Amino acid sequence: DAGITQSPRHKVTETGTPVTLRCHQTENHRYMYWYRQDPGHGLRLIHYSYGVKDTDKGEVSDGYSVSRSKTEDFLLTLESATSSQTSVYFCAISERATNTGELFFGEGSRLTVL
Amino acid sequence: GDSVTQMEGPVTLSEEAFLTINCTYTATGYPSLFWYVQYPGEGLQLLLKATKADDKGSNKGFEATYRKETTSFHLEKGSVQVSDSAVYFCALSDLRNTGNQFYFGTGTSLTVIP
Repeated sequence: DAGITQSPRHKVTETGTPVTLRCHQTENHRYMYWYRQDPGHGLRLIHYSYGVKDTDKGEVSDGYSVSRSKTEDFLLTLESATSSQTSVYFCAISERATNTGELFFGEGSRLTVL
Repeated sequence: GDSVTQMEGPVTLSEEAFLTINCTYTATGYPSLFWYVQYPGEGLQLLLKATKADDKGSNKGFEATYRKETTSFHLEKGSVQVSDSAVYFCALSDLRNTGNQFYFGTGTSLTVIP
């Protein structure tokens, strides 16, 4: 199994509070991603990173920011959480240099915003 | 832009029945195609993949063939088991894109009953 750890795995917070989710990898993969999974929408890309300090927006980036100061860590921050951000968040990693750049996923972080 | 459309679920089958989950794609380039599976409470994991037209991906009795002429990558299994109950996601990725972005379908939930 790919070494990907997400924390926290579960979090309940209130509207307007800041939240940071952490993704930590031990695979030294270049690419890291944050997705959210919602019923009827599948997985939607929030932000991704293609190297330290190199990040870009995905299709649902509004209300989210990311940072990657080290290869192994990719942080997702909700500056002021809203109920529409209640979701399951998945981190994924890949190394495009190997075969097809397959994605490896973490186990997910379930966030509830009240 | 690139996208994936897969058949709506949920799908309920009896054990040993034949499974087909349809997936079609839209892409401007020459993407790689994937099927990912998500078991309850877990992250997604790669089931099979195909990197070019006419390739057949296979794993654990599942198969899918990359059909460029019909832009399809349908998932099939000849005899499903209860343990195959999960959500299945079709996905594509074009490695020529800077971010190695993946595009996922909305997922198809499969329940296999004894």
